[in-house]
Amino acid sequence: QVRLVESGGGVVQPGRSLRLSCAASGFTFSSYGVHWVRQAPGKGLEWMSVISYDGSDKNYADSVKGRFTISRDNAENTLYLQMNSLRSEDTAVYYCAKGDGHCSGSSCSYFDSWGQGTLVTVSS
Amino acid sequence: SYELTQPPSVSVSPGQTARITCSGDPLPKQFAYWYQQKPGQAPVLVIYKDSERPSGIPERFSGSSSGATVTLTISGVQAEDEADYYCQSADSSGSSFVFGSGTKVTVL
Repeated sequence: QVRLVESGGGVVQPGRSLRLSCAASGFTFSSYGVHWVRQAPGKGLEWMSVISYDGSDKNYADSVKGRFTISRDNAENTLYLQMNSLRSEDTAVYYCAKGDGHCSGSSCSYFDSWGQGTLVTVSS
Repeated sequence: SYELTQPPSVSVSPGQTARITCSGDPLPKQFAYWYQQKPGQAPVLVIYKDSERPSGIPERFSGSSSGATVTLTISGVQAEDEADYYCQSADSSGSSFVFGSGTKVTVL
């Protein structure tokens, strides 16, 4: 079955950088788009970014555009999120989630499987 | 961007029916999706394309749509259904995705 395992979270000072990883298994990773979704402590879900199956299309929420970069390595079945210029409001559990299609153009609409998340805490 | 509006909380007795609404301008044109999230766990998809149920999701979960409002219905609520529920939609270009603010379902 689909398995997504996030890693790379931790405590980081404001203004610093962090890279998250998501190891995928149980499906043909190179055929699906994948997302990052975050959840601040005690708050709701917030979509962050999506990357198409082949890495050619990427989209971001306005709140992280220009600071975060999504990428993938299909040979390693791994998704990444490079987070720069971190702020206290970026403190959250970060989930990777499998898209329901290629996520190229309008071919993706929802998240059909989720990882367990990794906690990022931005604090001095 | 746009917003999806949900009630903060719904309370229901075991065996009764819980209905959770989600309203937003895109919903007449775009499908809605529903996720269940229990404390300390990742979200789980319970309804897709307004009313379709993924395999493994109990039949007591159903979805419906009317105009700019979609509804998740849990019939014969069980104690294990106590959780937060989020609706979600996507824009027509598939480049932006929005969640509702979430509804906490309490089983009395």
